[in-house]
Amino acid sequence: SAVISQKPSRDICQRGTSLTIQCQVDSQVTMMFWYRQQPGQSLTLIATANQGSEATYESGFVIDKFPISRPNLTFSTLTVSNMSPEDSSIYLCSVGWSGQPSYGYTFGSGTRLTVV
Amino acid sequence: DAKTTQPPSMDCAEGRAANLPCNHSTISGNEYVYWYRQIHSQGPQYIIHGLKNNETNEMASLIITEDRKSSTLILPHATLRDTAVYYCIVRVGHNQGGKLIFGQGTELSVKP
Repeated sequence: SAVISQKPSRDICQRGTSLTIQCQVDSQVTMMFWYRQQPGQSLTLIATANQGSEATYESGFVIDKFPISRPNLTFSTLTVSNMSPEDSSIYLCSVGWSGQPSYGYTFGSGTRLTVV
Repeated sequence: DAKTTQPPSMDCAEGRAANLPCNHSTISGNEYVYWYRQIHSQGPQYIIHGLKNNETNEMASLIITEDRKSSTLILPHATLRDTAVYYCIVRVGHNQGGKLIFGQGTELSVKP
C-alpha cells in the first residue's frame, strides 16, 4: 500500500484566512480523495482530485471554498478558503488505484484545523 | 448518502470474538463491501473487503450473506487495541476506482 504524507499535521488559523493542505504519496496513484471529519462525526467526502483536470465535488462542497489541485500522480493540495470556525475539522487525504477493485484505499493521518 | 446500516455501539470482552454486523440491502451486484476502522485521532485503517465470498486476512474475517444484503466483520480475539470506530462501506462505482462514502459506523469498546 502507499505511504501518505500530509502537511501540516495541525494548524490554528484566524477566521477569514486560507490554509493549503498538502498530500504527498510515495508512489503513483490514480485516485486521490479529500475528506472532512467534523468533531465527533464520521468522514464526509469533499471531492475527488483528478489529475490534469478539475476536481469533482460532492454535494454541498464548492470549488470557491475548497479549491483542489492535482498536478501529477503523487501530489495534491486542498485549500480551505475564507475560513470560519465552522471549518474546524480534520481534513484527510486518501488514495486508491482505478482498475484495482481488490485494493483497499489508504488514508493519511489528517490535518487537524482549528479556526479562531 | 451511505448505503449501509450499522449499530452505533457495541461492547466486547477482551479475548473474545467481536462480531460487527452491517446491512447493505440495496447493494448492486458489482459493488464491493469494505471495512475500515478509525482509532481515535488517526486516519482510517483498511481492514478487509469482499464481493461475494467470505474473506479472511491477518486482521479479520468477513462473512457476506448469500443474497449480499448483509455482512459481518469478525475480529477473532479482540484486544484492547481493537477499540475503535468500525465503518462498513459499499464502494460506489467499481473497476474505475470508485469513491468510499462513510456512514456513522459502530463504536466498538473492548473491555478487560
